Amino acid sequence: QKEVEQNSGPLSVPEGAIASLNCTYSDRVSQSFFWYRQYSGKSPELIMSIYSNGDKEDGRFTAQLNKASQYVSLLIRDSQPSDSATYLCAASGGSYIPTFGRGTSLIVHP
Amino acid sequence: KAGVTQTPRYLIKTRGQQVTLSCSPISGHRSVSWYQQTPGQGLQFLFEYFSETQRNKGNFPGRFSGRQFSNSRSEMNVSTLELGDSALYLCASRDDRGAEKLFFGSGTQLSVL
Repeated sequence: QKEVEQNSGPLSVPEGAIASLNCTYSDRVSQSFFWYRQYSGKSPELIMSIYSNGDKEDGRFTAQLNKASQYVSLLIRDSQPSDSATYLCAASGGSYIPTFGRGTSLIVHP
Repeated sequence: KAGVTQTPRYLIKTRGQQVTLSCSPISGHRSVSWYQQTPGQGLQFLFEYFSETQRNKGNFPGRFSGRQFSNSRSEMNVSTLELGDSALYLCASRDDRGAEKLFFGSGTQLSVL
């Protein structure tokens, strides 16, 4: 059974710091990896996708993928209170149906 | 473009009843997926419809069913409701031209008493 594991947190970081969110997946067939952000009471929103080993940067966000270790991470630089949310890691194979982790709660305090 | 629209936003039902939830995808999106979200289990995949056909199905009992209409709008039905069905039900649409990004609706919060 495909599984995506995340530490539920909460991860608490001060404003301006780097937040590091981690995720592992069990299915070696997985080819596509995603990070969704979900604010409390809202629906998930895609913020990053990554398909190849290495880093992918988009503004303050960097996604990192290591397929050999089956590990995905999301770094948020210069964290802001508005980044406080639950971050969902997801992995998918050829069916385009992602398996989601349970999410990591991030709290950025001023 | 309008986003994914789900109705109703909230529902309160009692055990044994049935419920129907509705989802209108983004215009042009033919793939519609349904997810159940609970604090304990996270986001669990229910099923995916594409061009009025169920293309993928998750590990949920047969009480959970769905359908898709020719205009891509989708409905999900849960029969014989159980307390454990209380959850946020999210619908997501996807542009089927190879893109994997899911666009989620605001969800229907179902409470079963």
